[in-house]
Amino acid sequence: EVQLVQSGAEVKKPGESLKISCKGSGYSFTSYWIGWVRQMPGKGLEWMGIIYPGDSDTRYSPSFQGQVTISADKSISTAYLQWSSLKASDTAMYYCARRNADRVDYWGQGTLVTVSS
Amino acid sequence: QSALTQPASVSGSPGQSITISCTGTSSDVGGYNYVSWYQQHPGKAPKLMIYDVSNRPSGVSNRFSGSKSGNTASLTISGLQAEDEADYYCSSYTSSSTLFYVFGTGTKVTVL
Repeated sequence: EVQLVQSGAEVKKPGESLKISCKGSGYSFTSYWIGWVRQMPGKGLEWMGIIYPGDSDTRYSPSFQGQVTISADKSISTAYLQWSSLKASDTAMYYCARRNADRVDYWGQGTLVTVSS
Repeated sequence: QSALTQPASVSGSPGQSITISCTGTSSDVGGYNYVSWYQQHPGKAPKLMIYDVSNRPSGVSNRFSGSKSGNTASLTISGLQAEDEADYYCSSYTSSSTLFYVFGTGTKVTVL
């Protein structure tokens, strides 16, 4: 059974750093793109970036380039999304998602990040 | 890359059919048969309902169907049920983004 299991909810202060994770299982982790999707409170879905764990090819949406870093450790089938300095506007639910050809066929359960002083 | 345009809300009574539109351009919806649809209930992760314009994944009810005409794709829900009340997002391949795919703005479906 394919699963993407994300790390738990986080509460951080502005300026702090954070790294959240997404562990894949039940499939060949290195053979599918994994993406990160942001959903701000009451808003829609936005692609932040994607990574191909097989060769670490990483691409970012222009809106998120330079704001976050996406990485993956294929030895433990885990993808990461990290911030070096959080802002209140980073408060959102973050989903990892497996891209299978032209669609997302599996989603993580989501990680809620709250940034507040 | 701008999001694809969907109506903010659509409503219908139980048993009725509703259709949600998803409008893009010739660089995305109109240029490729790579449109997918996702259902999201409150507090839950999205779920794939339709891919490649009109294909249903295993386990998705045949009350959900997809189509496309020109730059507009559509999701139709027939025999509307209370459990269909959710947010729905379209997505398409796009030649205008380094990420290759873009989501729609989302539609809230209300079952009256």
